[in-house]
Amino acid sequence: EAGVTQFPSHSVIEKGQTVTLRCDPISGHDNLYWYRRVMGKEIKFLLHFVKESKQDESGMPNNRFLAERTGGTYSTLKVQPAELEDSGVYFCASSPGTSGVREQFFGPGTRLTVL
Amino acid sequence: GENVEQHPSTLSVQEGDSAVIKCTYSDSASNYFPWYKQELGKRPQLIIDIRSNVGEKKDQRIAVTLNKTAKHFSLHITETQPEDSAVYFCAASSYGNNRLAFGKGNQVVVIP
Repeated sequence: EAGVTQFPSHSVIEKGQTVTLRCDPISGHDNLYWYRRVMGKEIKFLLHFVKESKQDESGMPNNRFLAERTGGTYSTLKVQPAELEDSGVYFCASSPGTSGVREQFFGPGTRLTVL
Repeated sequence: GENVEQHPSTLSVQEGDSAVIKCTYSDSASNYFPWYKQELGKRPQLIIDIRSNVGEKKDQRIAVTLNKTAKHFSLHITETQPEDSAVYFCAASSYGNNRLAFGKGNQVVVIP
């Protein structure tokens, strides 16, 4: 079974540009999460989808970040316009919708560098 | 929100010795505590987790202990091997709230 995949693996952009990150969860997983790790700090929660609905977006830093999950399959996270402090590794994770199963499976991350 | 603290930030151990990483959490409603291992260039992977209805869980050379009263939990790795070298993250979440609150990570280096 394929794990969570993310694209691209690396992205280097200039301040003010737009970047779109993509996450493909494990097939059949209803829950999809986005997290971010800024260098040297903890992995921080951004938001949680259940199928195509945003269940919890309390971690989104500001309105320059837009996440979508049309059709309840893959998800995109757009940063527009990017700022220097947006640099970091963006992780996606997924988990099944089965009650009681709480393990989250992580993707390899997208390393975003904003210059 | 939940705040998870992780200590120490770096830990070096001789191969064959034991390693212990400690985490504290702030939210008494937290009831699920996973540990993730991230090897260089790879994705974080769950290695063990514990729920608040038990105090200890073991899986071969790794174990996790939980003290709900003191709000801390620890990862124990025995008979360390070079392949145990990685960054280890502790996390916490509460029932009905799937988001994980992570510690800052701990770099474990096993010296052959």
